[in-house]
Amino acid sequence: AQRVTQPEKLLSVFKGAPVELKCNYSYSGSPELFWYVQYSRQRLQLLLRHISRESIKGFTADLNKGETSFHLKKPFAQEEDSAMYYCALYPRETSGSRLTFGEGTQLTVNP
Amino acid sequence: DGGITQSPKYLFRKEGQNVTLSCEQNLNHDAMYWYRQDPGQGLRLIYYSQIVNDFQKGDIAEGYSVSREKKESFPLTVTSAQKNPTAFYLCASSRTGAGETQYFGPGTRLLVL
Repeated sequence: AQRVTQPEKLLSVFKGAPVELKCNYSYSGSPELFWYVQYSRQRLQLLLRHISRESIKGFTADLNKGETSFHLKKPFAQEEDSAMYYCALYPRETSGSRLTFGEGTQLTVNP
Repeated sequence: DGGITQSPKYLFRKEGQNVTLSCEQNLNHDAMYWYRQDPGQGLRLIYYSQIVNDFQKGDIAEGYSVSREKKESFPLTVTSAQKNPTAFYLCASSRTGAGETQYFGPGTRLLVL
């Protein structure tokens, strides 16, 4: 079975500093990976997915199959980036399957 | 926002009582999901449905039940068998399967009296 691990429950950085939210996974096949974000008093929503290779709100994430990681990065954090971030994995080889979420990382960007 | 609605926003359950959480979507999505969100535990899947009149257990289905009689609706019942029901419950939908973007509702917070 697949597993997603976000080793940091809490992460605090200062505005303008680089930020990296770690996501490690275990899955033997070819996964599809996502980052979802939940801002205060807002719904959980998709931030980005690796297959689209987009940069959303300045965030990027690269799938590293060798290290089985999908870390989320932003070069200059903003206060509005403060939120709960979840990494999620979808096992493409398994039909009718579902997303597996990590435990989440609460990011705080201090002024 | 919009597209997926959940009600009520807050729900109180007495001991031994079954309660039902509503989830409706007007996105014409085939797949719907129920998650439980607890601090430090992320989102855990309770039940999911990929098509009307069919649903599957997730990782923590014990003490919960669902139905999918209409494409738009996927209600979750928290039964008295669920011994620790206090949590934030999120409903989501996706166009077809779980590999697509999931759209989440605003959530229902269930508290035990």
